[in-house]
Parts: sequence; structure tokens; C-alpha cells
Amino acid sequence: DGGITQSPKYLFRKEGQNVTLSCEQNLNHDAMYWYRQDPGQGLRLIYYSQIVNDFQKGDIAEGYSVSREKKESFPLTVTSAQKNPTAFYLCASSRLGGQRNYGYTFGSGTRLTVV
Amino acid sequence: AQRVTQPEKLLSVFKGAPVELKCNYSYSGSPELFWYVQYSRQRLQLLLRHISRESIKGFTADLNKGETSFHLKKPFAQEEDSAMYYCALIGWGNTPLVFGKGTRLSVIA
Repeated sequence: DGGITQSPKYLFRKEGQNVTLSCEQNLNHDAMYWYRQDPGQGLRLIYYSQIVNDFQKGDIAEGYSVSREKKESFPLTVTSAQKNPTAFYLCASSRLGGQRNYGYTFGSGTRLTVV
Repeated sequence: AQRVTQPEKLLSVFKGAPVELKCNYSYSGSPELFWYVQYSRQRLQLLLRHISRESIKGFTADLNKGETSFHLKKPFAQEEDSAMYYCALIGWGNTPLVFGKGTRLSVIA
């Protein structure tokens, strides 16, 4: 199914808690990305990684952290420092150097709600 | 800086009418442009890409470098075209994809 798996599909977080969103791909893609999707805001880049053990901040990295210990996995942690975490989070992957031709493949998303 | 502008948040058309979803971009070099679509309860998927010059589900998009536009067009809208549409740009090197804010297309029967 699509090659990218995000879990869980729905996640509820209490104020002050950290939560981690999972993203796994079996497409052998080098690059992975996290976007946040809000109504009327489109998709905004949080973090991305092009090789294992390396990642770069996107436009809205504050309050988030990531790791890339394996090529297949790129988990996102939403920390308590993120002031407005309720959103839909999308993970994507691409061939490095191939994204100009092929674009990205997206996961099905995780909807995070602060309760 | 790279920027993608989709001026319409919502576009409503009648079934069978022509559709044009506008997309303008800002980039100093030669970008590659994409249209992504998100149907209700489905994942975001690639609709078409400039480089391939394809026509997918009757949609086409032409890159106009003079006007820096990449508008998405379909001559006859279908109800199943109702979805959220995102225009996206990628520059040279391995820079990430930049998205517009999206346009929700609603096709009325």
C-alpha cells in the first residue's frame, strides 16, 4: 500500500506531553519529509532528511524534533514547546535527485489533537 | 525565495463546465512544477507534472514562464473532480517541494 506508512492515524495529546508520530517507507527512497497541513495554510515543511543521521529544519521547525537512524524511518516528535500542535501531519519521501522528475510519495497522514 | 500562490481558496463550478485552477510561482531559476490532488479521505497524490507533459483524468497544465503561471485546466468538470488541489514547485538541487495553500474545487451536479 503506497510504500509509506504513517501511524497512528489519530493521536490525542494532553497539554505538556511530547508525542511521536511514526513514518516508515519501503520505497528505498533517500529523502524523507514532514509537512503540517492546516486549513487555508496548505502544506508547510517542518523537517526533512536526505541521508541517514542528517536532517534540516524546514519553515516551521520550532517545537518539533526528528531523527533519522535508519533509511526507512523518519519519526517526528511534537514537543510541549509546540504552541499549537493540533493539525494533520503528512510524511513524504522521494528519490534524491529524482524529485524534479517524480515529485514525492505521501503517507496517509496522522491527525493530532490536543485535549 | 521560492513561492507558490493559489489565489482561490474555493472554486465552485457546474458539472460539464470548464475548470481553471490558477497557480502562480516565484522562483529566480527554472523550476519544475506539479499539481497534487487530495480527494476526501484519501492521501495526497500526484496529479500531473510539468516535465512529463501528461494529461491525467482530462486535466492539463501549461507552464507559462513569461507570466510565471502553471494553471490547471479541464474542459468539462465531473463530480468526481471535487477535491483539494495543490500546486507545488521544486527548484534546482535537492531543495524541498514548496506548496501553495491549495484550492478546493467543488463540482455541482
